[in-house]
Amino acid sequence: GAGVSQSPSNKVTEKGKDVELRCDPISGHTALYWYRQRLGQGLEFLIYFQGNSAPDKSGLPSDRFSAERTGESVSTLTIQRTQQEDSAVYLCASSLAATQNEQFFGPGTRLTVL
Amino acid sequence: AQSVTQLGSHVSVSEGALVLLRCNYSSSVPPYLFWYVQYPNQGLQLLLKYTTGATLVKGINGFEAEFKKSETSFHLTKPSAHMSDAAEYFCAVRNNAGNMLTFGGGTRLMVKP
Repeated sequence: GAGVSQSPSNKVTEKGKDVELRCDPISGHTALYWYRQRLGQGLEFLIYFQGNSAPDKSGLPSDRFSAERTGESVSTLTIQRTQQEDSAVYLCASSLAATQNEQFFGPGTRLTVL
Repeated sequence: AQSVTQLGSHVSVSEGALVLLRCNYSSSVPPYLFWYVQYPNQGLQLLLKYTTGATLVKGINGFEAEFKKSETSFHLTKPSAHMSDAAEYFCAVRNNAGNMLTFGGGTRLMVKP
């Protein structure tokens, strides 16, 4: 498929465990974005990458959250020592470049922290 | 800082009736505005966008939106609702650097037969 893909689609974990969420952007898209969508709320911007660099990490909710991108392709969002308030759908999007208007979204990873 | 307000977290209309989903924004610079639709268990899909030029923007599935600078609004409309329009709709504004979308809280549209 040519769209943005994310894995896993669902993740249930216990409080205190670490989790890794993966995003495969559309091939050739240099910009990649992570958002969080809590139940019944809008999307909250977390971080974006231009290439493999993340110029602004201020959107990450805490130092338990980190993200990396390699090969201007796959990105991983890592949440350490998960808390119940981390439960949300994590959405990834990509665009041709950061200045391009349209972001294409993946289906998301639903994270549940018990 | 930019913000987006969607009035009404839930909107219910009858099939064939007018759909009106409200969006107001605040932005210190000329905004780029977007409407996205999210069907259950799916990612967001772009419905339409306003960048510059014509203030009435037409999108997919018969939706359109009008940018009104004086009202700082970008309401989404469709003349006649279909059952397949039932979904969650998000209004968003893009920041100046183009690296972030700020979303409203979303409006869940329900269509009654």
